[in-house]
Amino acid sequence: GDSVTQTEGLVTLTEGLPVMLNCTYQSTYSPFLFWYVQHLNEAPKLLLKSFTDNKRPEHQGFHATLHKSSSSFHLQKSSAQLSDSALYYCALTPNYGSSGNKLIFGIGTLLSVKP
Amino acid sequence: EAGVTQSPRYAVLQEGQAVSFWCDPISGHDTLYWYQQPRDQGPQLLVYFRDEAVIDNSQLPSDRFSAVRPKGTNSTLKIQSAKQGDTATYLCASRAGLGTSAETLYFGSGTRLTVL
Repeated sequence: GDSVTQTEGLVTLTEGLPVMLNCTYQSTYSPFLFWYVQHLNEAPKLLLKSFTDNKRPEHQGFHATLHKSSSSFHLQKSSAQLSDSALYYCALTPNYGSSGNKLIFGIGTLLSVKP
Repeated sequence: EAGVTQSPRYAVLQEGQAVSFWCDPISGHDTLYWYQQPRDQGPQLLVYFRDEAVIDNSQLPSDRFSAVRPKGTNSTLKIQSAKQGDTATYLCASRAGLGTSAETLYFGSGTRLTVL
């Protein structure tokens, strides 16, 4: 079946250092990939999503590249900020039939940025 | 534009009690989702609707959970006899149409349920 794997439960960084959160996926058809961010006591919000062409989505300094060969969609940022501290979820939507309307989440990675 | 609205924000129950959660999606969004988010886990889909029709409820514990969306707008998720294992945040989300798998889901703030 379709699934998303996030291997790091917690990532702790010092402000200014680069961020990389891992995401790999399994899906029968070429899915759409998403990163959602959830701050404490708030709803998950879309951070960025993959494109059907080879464009690299970017938002708020974050970017992610969909690599179909390795089934990965890692999230990166060149310099972490204190305000980036949050839960980050990688998710996918299968690109077939009615399943193409379900958003399937990974378990999430908590990013903690320290001064 | 108003976002997805959920109520109540919090609920605390004893085992065996019933509880209902209410969701008002973004106006014009015909697809509505209910997710369960246990503590320290990612959201897990329970059920989703297009208009008033259930599209997928395969992950909904049917013996105690029910969900309706009678007019294709607001939705109610009900737990008949709550168990401690139901302790979680219940998230409602909506999106515009089924046209493309890339459409964004918009989430409400959730209802945090604690079953004692």
